Parts: sequence; structure tokens; C-alpha cells
Amino acid sequence: AQSVAQPEDQVNVAEGNPLTVKCTYSVSGNPYLFWYVQYPNRGLQFLLKYITGDNLVKGSYGFEAEFNKSQTSFHLKKPSALVSDSALYFCAVRDINDYKLSFGAGTTVTVRA
Amino acid sequence: GAGVSQSPSNKVTEKGKDVELRCDPISGHTALYWYRQSLGQGLEFLIYFQGNSAPDKSGLPSDRFSAERTGGSVSTLTIQRTQQEDSAVYLCASVWGGGGTDTQYFGPGTRLTVL
Repeated sequence: AQSVAQPEDQVNVAEGNPLTVKCTYSVSGNPYLFWYVQYPNRGLQFLLKYITGDNLVKGSYGFEAEFNKSQTSFHLKKPSALVSDSALYFCAVRDINDYKLSFGAGTTVTVRA
Repeated sequence: GAGVSQSPSNKVTEKGKDVELRCDPISGHTALYWYRQSLGQGLEFLIYFQGNSAPDKSGLPSDRFSAERTGGSVSTLTIQRTQQEDSAVYLCASVWGGGGTDTQYFGPGTRLTVL
């Protein structure tokens, strides 16, 4: 079985401040981890993924995420948030032996000017 | 087009009617997924197609739901005798290889409202 938890329903930050969106996961084997962003009335857009290798993954729009195996976490980060980063963010995990992604419930990020 | 497309973008129907939702995947992508996103919920897996293999229908919530994929490309999700609890955004995603490392690319979704 595989699952993802996003412990925060909402994250509010001021523009220019660091942004962190938390994600923890559970899989029976090695995980493949993904972050997606969803803007209003749009589909999900891929941000980044961790498959293997360097624990720090860099993705689109200045986002990065750090894979921490001991803490089973894959937190999304951005050093300096923009108002345009306001959106719904989803973390997802897939076990190495599965083809189905399991998604978290999502975290709504609001960046205030 | 470069991305996954879905139609219609919005569908309003009356309880008891049948609806068909269409997904056009990225050309060359062999795998296709359908998900349901209900208000305030994450994405719920519905069905998975990979090439010519039998689809994984394990996520379909009832026998009122069915899907097919013609010619390994376009897919149609059909909901018969719609109920109000079927109201949600239905998302389609396609993948080049279908393997664990491959990224799913999503369409914009179809917002279904059952009155």
C-alpha cells in the first residue's frame, strides 16, 4: 500500500519570503515522488520529481524539493515566493513496483503582496 | 496540440442521464489514466490503460462507470444514470512509457455537475 500526507490544508506567506509545502509518504518499497501544481480551473501541472540520485531536486518556476528517506518526507520549497505561486499543490507517490500514483489531499498556497 | 485535451470543459446534466467525457492524450503516449477530483479532495484513481493490455478498472466506483480507449489513443469515460455524488472534476493524464519513473501529464479536466 502507498499513501501521501500533506499535513497543512493551507499555507500563507508574504511575497519574497520562503515557501515550504510539506509532504510525507508511505510505500512498501522505494518511492518515486512527484509534485504538481493546480491553478484555478486548470489541470495539474508537473513541477518536479524524485526518482533516484541527489536528494535535492530542482524543478520548474524556481521550486525545489528535498527527499529525506529517514523522515519519509519530500517537502516542496521556494526561496522567495511570488504572488503568482498562489495555487493548489499536490504531492504524489508511486511505489517502484506500481504504476498508480497516490495523491495527497492538496495544500492551498496563498502568497500575499 | 502539445498537451492533453479534454472535452467538454463543463457538463451540466440531470440526475439519471448518461454522460460521456472525452480525453485526447499526447501523441505517442502509451498509457492513459482517469482520475476524479471532488471538492476539497485529492485525486481518486479511476482507471488505467497501457497499450493493448487489459485496463486496470480497480478504481471505478460502481458499474455505472465505464471507459474505453480506441486505437490506443482517444479515451471516453462514460457514466450511466448519473447521481449527484458523481459531481466532480474528471481529469485525464497520459504517460509516455507507463513505467514508474515516467511523468503523468494532465489535461484541463471536465467539470461535471449533476443536478
